[in-house]
Amino acid sequence: EIVLTQSPGTLSLSPGERATLSCRASQSVSSSYLAWYQQKPGQAPRLLIYGASSRATGIPDRFSGSGSGTDFTLTISRLEPEDFAVYYCQQYGSSRSTFGQGTKVEIK
Amino acid sequence: QVQLQESGPGLVKPSETLSLTCAVSGYSISSGYYWGWIRQPPGKGLEWIGSIYHSGSTYYNPSLKSRVTISVDTSKNQFSLKLSSVTAADTAVYYCARVGGAIPYYYMDVWGKGTTVTVSS
Repeated sequence: EIVLTQSPGTLSLSPGERATLSCRASQSVSSSYLAWYQQKPGQAPRLLIYGASSRATGIPDRFSGSGSGTDFTLTISRLEPEDFAVYYCQQYGSSRSTFGQGTKVEIK
Repeated sequence: QVQLQESGPGLVKPSETLSLTCAVSGYSISSGYYWGWIRQPPGKGLEWIGSIYHSGSTYYNPSLKSRVTISVDTSKNQFSLKLSSVTAADTAVYYCARVGGAIPYYYMDVWGKGTTVTVSS
């Protein structure tokens, strides 16, 4: 099983600032099969990024994904008030898909 | 647009079987895609449970495989989850979702709102 470790656990930032979230895999993720989701309290996760860097339909371009192998990054270029949430990464390059434990982006 | 809605009992007794259904609207399951289940224990992260194709082909998380059955009813445009021998550790919000690609354990691009299931006597 590929274990995904997200850091930091919590990121305290102000609106307008840049957010950089990390997702590190215990083994190489084949074909950059990594996705990012946003989850707000009481809501289902929303797909942001797939294939490490492709934005899902309707996702603003302030969200970008990068990385390959074992190190992946989600960047939010300028935080909007609605971006404060928990973010999860998911790898689907192995037959047992796994998620990271999440990074909470909170208002400073 | 595609919408998914979970339904089922909110309370299940230990050792019994959890049963949930996901109704799909705005898209015919028979047209393609895998359809899956994911769960989230209170205050914790996400766990992929398994997926099914309209043909009935299934793929399960190996850690749950012995207890999980996912089935599809194309005539009702819905798919279902059964999880047997439940314990308190199975208490979670259960989500159904559409799998975004041709592989059963791909990312999920459309999600239901989720339903809370508590295992307690």
